[in-house]
Amino acid sequence: EVQLVESGGGLVQTGGSLRLSCAASGFTLADHWMGWVRQAPGKGLEWVADVKSDGSETKYVDSVKGRFTISRDNAKNSLYLQMNILRADDTAVYYCARDQGRAYESWGQGTLVTVSS
Amino acid sequence: EIVLTQSPATLSLSPGERATLSCRASRSVSNYLAWYQQKPGQAPRLLIYTASNRATGVPARFSGSGSGTDFTLTISTLEPEDFAVYYCHQRNDWPLTFGGGTKVEI
Repeated sequence: EVQLVESGGGLVQTGGSLRLSCAASGFTLADHWMGWVRQAPGKGLEWVADVKSDGSETKYVDSVKGRFTISRDNAKNSLYLQMNILRADDTAVYYCARDQGRAYESWGQGTLVTVSS
Repeated sequence: EIVLTQSPATLSLSPGERATLSCRASRSVSNYLAWYQQKPGQAPRLLIYTASNRATGVPARFSGSGSGTDFTLTISTLEPEDFAVYYCHQRNDWPLTFGGGTKVEI
C-alpha cells in the first residue's frame, strides 16, 4: 500500500525557516517525480514544487522561487521541502504527493505550517 | 501561467441527481487535465486523469470529458458521499495550476 507521511510543520515567525519531510513507503520512490501542494486555510489547492525522480530537475511556483528548495533522498525514501524567509501567506497545509506524470495519484495527510509575527 | 476557471463555484443538488462541473483553461492544455475530490479535513483524492480516465477504484458514476480548453466532470447519480469540493488541475505546462474548486452541496 502506498503511504506518504508528512512531518515538520508547526508555528514559525515571519522570516524564519522550516524543513518539511515526507516519508514514502509501499513503492519505489526513485521511480517517480514527487511534488508539494499547499492549501491555505479555507482556500483552494496551490502547486508549490516538483522534483524529478533522480533529483536532477526541480520546478517551482514563482511565489516560492529563491525561498523554497525541494529535494529528495531516494535511499531514505524521503522527500523534503526547505522553506526559508517564510511569510504570512505561506501559512497552509502542505501535502506531498506522488506524481504519475498524468496527475498526483497519491497524497499524504498533510502538515500544517503557520507563519506568524 | 495557465489559469483554470471552474464553474459554478457552488452546486446545490440532491442525492440521485446529476452533477455537471465545468473547468475552462486560459489556453489549451491538450488532454492533460485531472480532477480531484476533497472532503473536509482530508487530502485530495484523484478521480480522473488525462481528461477522461478514471483512477483506480473510482466508481463508474464519475466521468470526465473535454480537450483543449473546455472540460467537464459529470457525476451521473449523486450519492451522499459525493458531496465535496472538486478541483481541476492542468499538467500541460509549468507552473502546474489548479482551478478554484466547485463545492457540491446538498
